[in-house]
Amino acid sequence: EDQVTQSPEALRLQEGESSSLNCSYTVSGLRGLFWYRQDPGKGPEFLFTLYSAGEEKEKERLKATLTKKESFLHITAPKPEDSATYLCAVQASNTDKLIFGTGTRLQVFP
Amino acid sequence: NAGVMQNPRHLVRRRGQEARLRCSPMKGHSHVYWYRQLPEEGLKFMVYLQKENIIDESGMPKERFSAEFPKEGPSILRIQQVVRGDSAAYFCASSPRTGYEQYFGPGTRLTVT
Repeated sequence: EDQVTQSPEALRLQEGESSSLNCSYTVSGLRGLFWYRQDPGKGPEFLFTLYSAGEEKEKERLKATLTKKESFLHITAPKPEDSATYLCAVQASNTDKLIFGTGTRLQVFP
Repeated sequence: NAGVMQNPRHLVRRRGQEARLRCSPMKGHSHVYWYRQLPEEGLKFMVYLQKENIIDESGMPKERFSAEFPKEGPSILRIQQVVRGDSAAYFCASSPRTGYEQYFGPGTRLTVT
């Protein structure tokens, strides 16, 4: 069964304190791995797509990496505005649906 | 360039009533997906549609739920005879082609009283 597990469930960081979020997955043929950001009361906002092991993508303070079993979202020198829930999802090769993890709730304090 | 639009944003229904949720995809997107987010749970896939066709409904409950994406107009998710367990946030997403990233709307928050 295709599955996504994210850790930690919650993370509290001081402003400027870098860290990483983990997304472990099992899927019958990976078509793509997606990272989203979700603010309270809003829809998920697309961040990155990764397609193959070894691939990396960067956007401002965020960097996403992918291996055959997991993905990491690295946050460098976070700011309070980075506070949100970060969602990871996978898409299997024979389908278009996204399978989501339950997310990591990030809080960044000034 | 307008994003995915959903309406209403909030919907309150009494048990036994019908709920209709609407989704207009981004311009140029012909693939629409519906997801449900229950309190304290992750997003769960419900159904994938293209114009006038249901492609994958493997996540739809067998009874009371239906979806359509007509040739003209928005996609509709319809829930008949709502029960309290249907209370959730329902999100629509769209993409321009298969295998591409999906862009989400703001969601419709359904409350069943």
